[in-house]
Amino acid sequence: GQQVMQIPQYQHVQEGEDFTTYCNSSTTLSNIQWYKQRPGGHPVFLIQLVKSGEVKKQKRLTFQFGEAKKNSSLHITATQTTDVGTYFCAGPIGNNFNKFYFGSGTKLNVKP
Amino acid sequence: DAGVIQSPRHEVTEMGQEVTLRCKPISGHDYLFWYRQTMMRGLELLIYFNNNVPIDDSGMPEDRFSAKMPNASFSTLKIQPSEPRDSAVYFCASSFDPSSYNEQFFGPGTRLTVL
Repeated sequence: GQQVMQIPQYQHVQEGEDFTTYCNSSTTLSNIQWYKQRPGGHPVFLIQLVKSGEVKKQKRLTFQFGEAKKNSSLHITATQTTDVGTYFCAGPIGNNFNKFYFGSGTKLNVKP
Repeated sequence: DAGVIQSPRHEVTEMGQEVTLRCKPISGHDYLFWYRQTMMRGLELLIYFNNNVPIDDSGMPEDRFSAKMPNASFSTLKIQPSEPRDSAVYFCASSFDPSSYNEQFFGPGTRLTVL
C-alpha cells in the first residue's frame, strides 16, 4: 500500500546550523501537510502544500512540494533551540482524502 | 475555543482492565480522528468519524478496541480488556473537511500505561 517515508530519522545540529528533512511517497499525493511535535507535546499543524513545485516560507522554515507531487522537504535555516522537536509529513492515503498517513518523523535536536 | 480536549491525560491500569479514553472535538468540526503513537509504529490512525458516524475503522488493531461518537461534542475510545502492548499515547484530532485541505487539530493526548 501507499506509504510516506521520511528521512532522516534523527538529526543533531549545532545551533545556527541548517536542517532539512525529506518526505517521499510511493504514489502521487493530492496534498501534503507538515506538523511539528515538541517533546511531550502533540502534533501541531505547520503548513499544507497543494500545487506541484510549490514553495512556501514561514520565517526560517521553507517547505517544498516536488514537481511530481511525490516528495516534499522542510528546510530550517539557522536552527534555534526552539526548533527542537519531531517533524512529520502527512499525506492522504489513496483516494480517501480524509485519511492521512503520517511519516515516521524526523527528530531534531539542537545543541546550544 | 479551548481546542481539542482529552481526558484523562495519564492512565495507568493493570492488564485485563477496561480503559476508556475521552475526547471533545473543536466545536463545528465535522471530522474526528483517533490516533495511537508508539516508538515502534509511529503515529497510526485507528478510526475516524464524520458527523458522528464511523467511516473507517480499518486501523483498529483488534476487537478489544471500540470507539463511539454519541454526539458532535464527545467521543470515546475503549479498550477491553487492556494488554501491556496497548501502552502508548492516544491522540484525538478534529478537523473541518480534510478533503478540502483543512488541517487536523490534535488534543494533548492520553498517555496509557498497561502493567
